Amino acid sequence: DIQMTQSPSSLSASVGDRVTITCRANQGINNYLAWYQQKPGKVPKLLIYAASTLQSGVPSRFSGSGSGTDFTLTISSLQPEDVATYYCQNYNSAPRTFGQGTKVEIK
Amino acid sequence: QVQLVQSGAEVKKPGASVKVSCKASGYTFSSYGITWVRQAPGQGLEWMGWISAYTGNTNYAQKIEGRVTMTADTSTSTAYMELRSLRSDDTAVYYCTRGGGYHESDYWGQGTLVTVSS
Repeated sequence: DIQMTQSPSSLSASVGDRVTITCRANQGINNYLAWYQQKPGKVPKLLIYAASTLQSGVPSRFSGSGSGTDFTLTISSLQPEDVATYYCQNYNSAPRTFGQGTKVEIK
Repeated sequence: QVQLVQSGAEVKKPGASVKVSCKASGYTFSSYGITWVRQAPGQGLEWMGWISAYTGNTNYAQKIEGRVTMTADTSTSTAYMELRSLRSDDTAVYYCTRGGGYHESDYWGQGTLVTVSS
């Protein structure tokens, strides 16, 4: 089975900081990698698909990169409304597993 | 606009079954799959499986295979997820999403809380 490992599991950063979250697959998934944002008490929202394509309406401070097994989500300038848990997901092959999540807080 | 509207919260006893519905609108239902994802209280997202609304083919997570059935009714643009032999660790919010196969989950339903308790 494909396993997705995110790091860190949580982070605290200041408003305006650059934030990076990594996601590693235990086997290649091409670029079939999505990132989701889940704010507290809310439904998850698609941020990025195909590893680096920004979903319509998502602020440009979010970006994704990587291919194969190693992927990154970057928030170029952290904003208060970005407080959330972020999940990566493989959708190359079953099981289409999610990472364990990264909780982002404001320092 | 694309919308996925799920059925309401359920409370079930251990050993019972639950069937959650997901009515789609705003797109051609048979052109996309429906993926089901669940989230136990305070936990992360768990992929349960998906169904092609076009072919009816399904792919389930090994953990629940044998207890789950996903179906899609193209005449009403509604997908269903039935989970049987419920256990306390099935207590979760269940989401339907548009997506599956080589497609990301781009739209999500509002979630359905299923509580399993004696």
